[in-house]
Amino acid sequence: DAGVIQSPRHEVTEMGQEVTLRCKPISGHNSLFWYRQTMMRGLELLIYFNNNVPIDDSGMPEDRFSAKMPNASFSTLKIQPSEPRDSAVYFCASSAGQGTYSNQPQHFGDGTRLSIL
Amino acid sequence: GNSVTQMEGPVTLSEEAFLTINCTYTATGYPSLFWYVQYPGEGLQLLLKATKADDKGSNKGFEATYRKETTSFHLEKGSVQVSDSAVYFCALSDSGYSTLTFGKGTMLLVSP
Repeated sequence: DAGVIQSPRHEVTEMGQEVTLRCKPISGHNSLFWYRQTMMRGLELLIYFNNNVPIDDSGMPEDRFSAKMPNASFSTLKIQPSEPRDSAVYFCASSAGQGTYSNQPQHFGDGTRLSIL
Repeated sequence: GNSVTQMEGPVTLSEEAFLTINCTYTATGYPSLFWYVQYPGEGLQLLLKATKADDKGSNKGFEATYRKETTSFHLEKGSVQVSDSAVYFCALSDSGYSTLTFGKGTMLLVSP
């Protein structure tokens, strides 16, 4: 089975530019998570969706960050405008969680390494 | 709130040595517990899990036992290999929607 697929794997852009990260979850999974990983702050949960609906976006650092999940097989994380401090590895994960009482494991993509110059 | 505390690394071992990475947790409910491993340049992979007290999760020679009385889930392996060099994350889930609370990660370095 295909795992979680993220694109691009690497992105280098100048500050002020719009950045869009993409994620395709595992087929049949109905929970999707976006994380950011840095040396200083470790792994941070940004937002998660269940059945394409955003459940908790309290981890999104600023209004410059937005995420969408238009259907069960695709999600985007957008940064506009980007800043050097947004440089990090961004991970998408999915799980077969069935809602409030689910504790199923998450499956991670290989991440997007983002560098903002 | 929920929290996970792991021993700080790096943990440096010689090949075939015994490994223990300590993990303790605080949770309001009855969490499921996980160990994830992250190899360089890759995402996190589920290594093992345990869903209730006294359960033992195991995979690839790694083991961890869910100890409710000590709120711990220590990772062990009897004989490490160079290929086990990676960052190991302990995590719990009890907030629903499969959300995870992660520890800060422990880097393991195994030398030949």
